Amino acid sequence: SQQGEEDPQALSIQEGENATMNCSYKTSINNLQWYRQNSGRGLVHLILIRSNEREKHSGRLRVTLDTSKKSSSLLITASRAADTASYFCATDKAGGFKTIFGAGTRLFVKA
Amino acid sequence: GAGVSQSPSNKVTEKGKDVELRCDPISGHTALYWYRQSLGQGLEFLIYFQGNSAPDKSGLPSDRFSAERTGGSVSTLTIQRTQQEDSAVYLCASSLEKLFFGSGTQLSVL
Repeated sequence: SQQGEEDPQALSIQEGENATMNCSYKTSINNLQWYRQNSGRGLVHLILIRSNEREKHSGRLRVTLDTSKKSSSLLITASRAADTASYFCATDKAGGFKTIFGAGTRLFVKA
Repeated sequence: GAGVSQSPSNKVTEKGKDVELRCDPISGHTALYWYRQSLGQGLEFLIYFQGNSAPDKSGLPSDRFSAERTGGSVSTLTIQRTQQEDSAVYLCASSLEKLFFGSGTQLSVL
């Protein structure tokens, strides 16, 4: 079964608006990562947040992690049409090695 | 090469045939993953390698699926007696910590 679950499943916004995607997971983790996928092929790593971190920024991306609620959020500020893609959270389970992905959020940014 | 390379990019096969998918990871990356993705879906974990050993094969859907990795580098995923439900994009990733993905192999079983 999937370790991470994202919501919403799909999100449609206007260019310039902010996009927020959420991820929940089930077990203790070492870290949580967000990836982006265009056109159903290879994924690109966006940002990694460790279990002892609460917030991280990278450019227009802001990620938060709440280990007590087993949840994370990805905020994309001032969205652009080029941000249109699927976004996945992935977790490395504490004590384990494999990286498990959620089902993803499909973001559509209208120009 | 600089990135993860997968071959073939596309594979069309007939039901019942065997197929072999190849993954060349980034040099020096000890961990290698195989995932499967059906259209519009998330990534389904198949198998994970640390070096040449596979500590976790729990995601392989059936005994028709097998994978090996040699020399801590190239990995092959073999699907025997393919079925139509095996049609999907098969993605390989290598990592030291964050994952670097190849472009995938689109498998179509007719």
